[in-house]
Amino acid sequence: EPEVTQTPSHQVTQMGQEVILRCVPISNHLYFYWYRQILGQKVEFLVSFYNNEISEKSEIFDDQFSVERPDGSNFTLKIRSTKLEDSAMYFCASSEVTGPPLAKNIQYFGAGTRLSVL
Amino acid sequence: QKEVEQDPGPLSVPEGAIVSLNCTYSNSAFQYFMWYRQYSRKGPELLMYTYSSGNKEDGRFTAQVDKSSKYISLFIRDSQPSDSATYLCAMKETSGSRLTFGEGTQLTVNP
Repeated sequence: EPEVTQTPSHQVTQMGQEVILRCVPISNHLYFYWYRQILGQKVEFLVSFYNNEISEKSEIFDDQFSVERPDGSNFTLKIRSTKLEDSAMYFCASSEVTGPPLAKNIQYFGAGTRLSVL
Repeated sequence: QKEVEQDPGPLSVPEGAIVSLNCTYSNSAFQYFMWYRQYSRKGPELLMYTYSSGNKEDGRFTAQVDKSSKYISLFIRDSQPSDSATYLCAMKETSGSRLTFGEGTQLTVNP
């Protein structure tokens, strides 16, 4: 069964350093997403990406964050200068479409990257 | 007011019990409703999805939506220890791309 894969599973970094989290979405999916989950809190939307452009972003996704599809298979989230409060699980997701029908709208999630900022 | 509210639990039941998990929402633009299951330190795994009011059944799981009350439920029949996980409700407008999640309900099914 196709799945979203994320690397690394755990990333430890020093405050102020840049990190890149990597994702390989499901191959026939066109929409890609990043979410984060701070320990003990709800899963929160960061950004969606389609056709090499950001299609929607949340208020969390400020200038410290950027996303890129550097090639035909990878999708990355970059945090330029990490802060302690960036420590969280980061989930990548993908879907075929965002509009109807719902079955093609479903977002499938990877296992996540746990980011620890020291 | 939060857009999506979900009782975080924890909820502990004996094996074989019927479990009811619930979410309420305030945004009437939400039209797509999903339930995900999340094991500790893992990604959300899709369980069920629906867009219409009423019930949708899949094996031991039934998803129920009441748009007039802005209330959704997930029922688990004959619960098993392997059902022990955190259950997340998620919702989406028909336009737009973001999922809005509830806080998640932590469920433990005791053998």
